[in-house]
Amino acid sequence: QKEVEQNSGPLSVPEGAIASLNCTYSDRGSQSFFWYRQYSGKSPELIMFIYSNGDKEDGRFTAQLNKASQYVSLLIRDSQPSDSATYLCAVNPPNTGNQFYFGTGTSLTVIP
Amino acid sequence: DGGITQSPKYLFRKEGQNVTLSCEQNLNHDAMYWYRQDPGQGLRLIYYSQIVNDFQKGDIAEGYSVSREKKESFPLTVTSAQKNPTAFYLCASSMNGNTEAFFGQGTRLTVV
Repeated sequence: QKEVEQNSGPLSVPEGAIASLNCTYSDRGSQSFFWYRQYSGKSPELIMFIYSNGDKEDGRFTAQLNKASQYVSLLIRDSQPSDSATYLCAVNPPNTGNQFYFGTGTSLTVIP
Repeated sequence: DGGITQSPKYLFRKEGQNVTLSCEQNLNHDAMYWYRQDPGQGLRLIYYSQIVNDFQKGDIAEGYSVSREKKESFPLTVTSAQKNPTAFYLCASSMNGNTEAFFGQGTRLTVV
């Protein structure tokens, strides 16, 4: 079983809509969760991190964490064409020597 | 400017050659990581280091070597034993391995 799983997509949403990206993880003891955005040919850039159950908002982005169900999601409100990218979920499970485990990413296209 | 610098951006290797990819950070981070990304795939961990003069193998360490003689530097050598080295190589660092990781701009290695 993979540590982190994401729907690879592609996910297409119209401009101005809400994009919802989901991620599940296998290690129930995980405490740290991260979302990265990666444009084609570029390196990943951090969007948000979340450590506690519930929602965390930063501008148009909201991360949601549910440890009981072992999923973390990213909502992008008022989606813009510039949001078109691959979104990577990462988890930092305990007892792994501080490794980060990444999902394979979800490709998002925002249609103007 | 604080950040992670990878060099070169593009690298071409002949069959049977060893090449070294540079990664330098001035963020005073303890943990550093090397990932490999193949087209359309997620990030796979090659090596990571939590402290100077110590490093651990990741999932795909065969054919690679690293050193961590200084806190700010974590070079990766792709040896001739790595049979399929063409990929996008990403270096990352984290303050202590429990907090968010930041990436360099990547090195694209091609075998010619």
